[in-house]
Amino acid sequence: GENVGLHLPTLSVQEGDNSIINCAYSNSASDYFIWYKQESGKGPQFIIDIRSNMDKRQGQRVTVLLNKTVKHLSLQIAATQPGDSAVYFCAENSGGYQKVTFGIGTKLQVIP
Amino acid sequence: EAGVTQFPSHSVIEKGQTVTLRCDPISGHDNLYWYRRVMGKEIKFLLHFVKESKQDESGMPNNRFLAERTGGTYSTLKVQPAELEDSGVYFCASSQGQGVAAFFGQGTRLTVV
Repeated sequence: GENVGLHLPTLSVQEGDNSIINCAYSNSASDYFIWYKQESGKGPQFIIDIRSNMDKRQGQRVTVLLNKTVKHLSLQIAATQPGDSAVYFCAENSGGYQKVTFGIGTKLQVIP
Repeated sequence: EAGVTQFPSHSVIEKGQTVTLRCDPISGHDNLYWYRRVMGKEIKFLLHFVKESKQDESGMPNNRFLAERTGGTYSTLKVQPAELEDSGVYFCASSQGQGVAAFFGQGTRLTVV
């Protein structure tokens, strides 16, 4: 069935640099996308979301970009900090429910 | 305001035993979800409650899993009898309405030996 996948399982970034985490999705009917951050021993924490009628949305130090043409989603973290070290999941849903489909996650390692 | 809470945080049981996981959603959230992550795999949807009604249980793996949400408040997920492949982290999430992201609990790590 259709699912969301991630290009890179692990990403190492120097503290202070910008991070870009990518995600590909295959369900063309998806209309709502979410990025979650999961720290060790905790549940997924909502970071930012974007609807399919937008191609960019900004939060505090984070930006999500959506390219529906190629079914690609990315999360940009500005000035990456040690506290950003975690596993990041992109998730998508369609049809108005919160049943989301998760990718396998990308582990972000911040090098001090 | 308290977030989504799950109990227990860890559970180790023997194959064939029964385990019941509990989830307390954020107060006022009608939507409650169960997900699980088996080691090395992605987080998978199990089911969705709207208040006390099961809206979608398409992700429940088999009839050894039973979820309830009596009264539309907290929910329980019972595994009976547990099998080795049931080991993983079980997450509960809740949300206010449709079309918004859900808030997740810290998860229950279930180990079946």
